Amino acid sequence: NAGVTQTPKFQVLKTGQSMTLQCAQDMNHEYMSWYRQDPGMGLRLIHYSVGAGITDQGEVPNGYNVSRSTTEDFPLRLLSAAPSQTSVYFCASSYSQGNQPQHFGDGTRLSIL
Amino acid sequence: GQQVMQIPQYQHVQEGEDFTTYCNSSTTLSNIQWYKQRPGGHPVFLIQLVKSGEVKKQKRLTFQFGEAKKNSSLHITATQTTDVGTYFCARTGANNLFFGTGTRLTVIP
Repeated sequence: NAGVTQTPKFQVLKTGQSMTLQCAQDMNHEYMSWYRQDPGMGLRLIHYSVGAGITDQGEVPNGYNVSRSTTEDFPLRLLSAAPSQTSVYFCASSYSQGNQPQHFGDGTRLSIL
Repeated sequence: GQQVMQIPQYQHVQEGEDFTTYCNSSTTLSNIQWYKQRPGGHPVFLIQLVKSGEVKKQKRLTFQFGEAKKNSSLHITATQTTDVGTYFCARTGANNLFFGTGTRLTVIP
């Protein structure tokens, strides 16, 4: 089992560009989520999904879109990148609910110039 | 907000010394989880506490949940260099986790 796989590991964008961060899990987990991690602020929830076809907003959803067309994949889209979105992004999954122990991917380090 | 307060933000200890990080909430917690993140790595689940006054041990790590379920602590006995990293507590919501700001532990050999 690969667990939770995130790509790319690193990315540099210019302000205004768009991109998609990929997340895939092979554990048949229903719940998937995206967090961003900034120095001194812990992990903040961006969006989450409780199953295929269902998504919802977390604490800091502005500037990001998600979709969940399959159980395995949960991509995060930056519509028009801004310097404030420079961060480390983690995808996580759990068996059925978001209040269960989370399995995290290795993260994507994103810089917006 | 729904975050939990975690202190201290940083802790430097000599190898062999003990270390404690505290997680505090103004409201009653249903349960709490603890994670460890090594430098450059991703958070890894350590434990979940559910019951009031619960104490759980994992080798040199001791986790406690307060009687009022408003605070929790993680204590490491005789730290080793392998304990280096950031320790996060996370409160559980209806269907989400809300992470504390973390305590970054440095162990000086």
